[in-house]
Amino acid sequence: GAVVSQHPSWVICKSGTSVKIECRSLDFQATTMFWYRQFPKQSLMLMATSNEGSKATYEQGVEKDKFLINHASLTLSTLTVTSAHPEDSSFYICSAKRPYRGHSDGYTFGSGTRLTVV
Amino acid sequence: DAKTTQPPSMDCAEGRAANLPCNHSTISGNEYVYWYRQIHSQGPQYIIHGLKNNETNEMASLIITEDRKSSTLILPHATLRDTAVYYCIVFMNRDDKIIFGKGTRLHILP
Repeated sequence: GAVVSQHPSWVICKSGTSVKIECRSLDFQATTMFWYRQFPKQSLMLMATSNEGSKATYEQGVEKDKFLINHASLTLSTLTVTSAHPEDSSFYICSAKRPYRGHSDGYTFGSGTRLTVV
Repeated sequence: DAKTTQPPSMDCAEGRAANLPCNHSTISGNEYVYWYRQIHSQGPQYIIHGLKNNETNEMASLIITEDRKSSTLILPHATLRDTAVYYCIVFMNRDDKIIFGKGTRLHILP
């Protein structure tokens, strides 16, 4: 089955530094990837849609200069949290969309990255 | 905004069938009903999807009402490992991004 690998699974960083999270589709090419953020006991909130070779599309209220997304290849998208602050501490999850295969499990999610900013 | 309504939490005894309801009264004709679940501190996992017919796979069954305004996910023999948040989502796979609602937190009781 389709596998999406997310790295790192957890990271602790100092306030003011930047952190990069990687999302890789291991056995398929993903033209579209999605980034979500999840706070404790809340649902997943879509942050942005990442398309290979083009600029990401951000959801309303998400700062594009703070959350930099790069989708340079069909198997890799990265999310960089710049100048991180404690309020950016959250669970970040990526999702990769496989090429249209009819209505099946076309979206595969990574295992998430727990970011703690101290 | 999410297009579905689910109860915030449910309990089910281990070994019994867990029936999770979902209302999607504004679903359009070409939107599918998908179910995902999220076990604590993991990414969402696909369970099942359907358009208008009932569906069954190795994990669960999906019952969709004839008017498609609601559905029920059935876990036939719940185990402790089924403890998770279950999300009912409607969208068109071809184009749409997945927007999550609040889901149902299912507790399996030993």
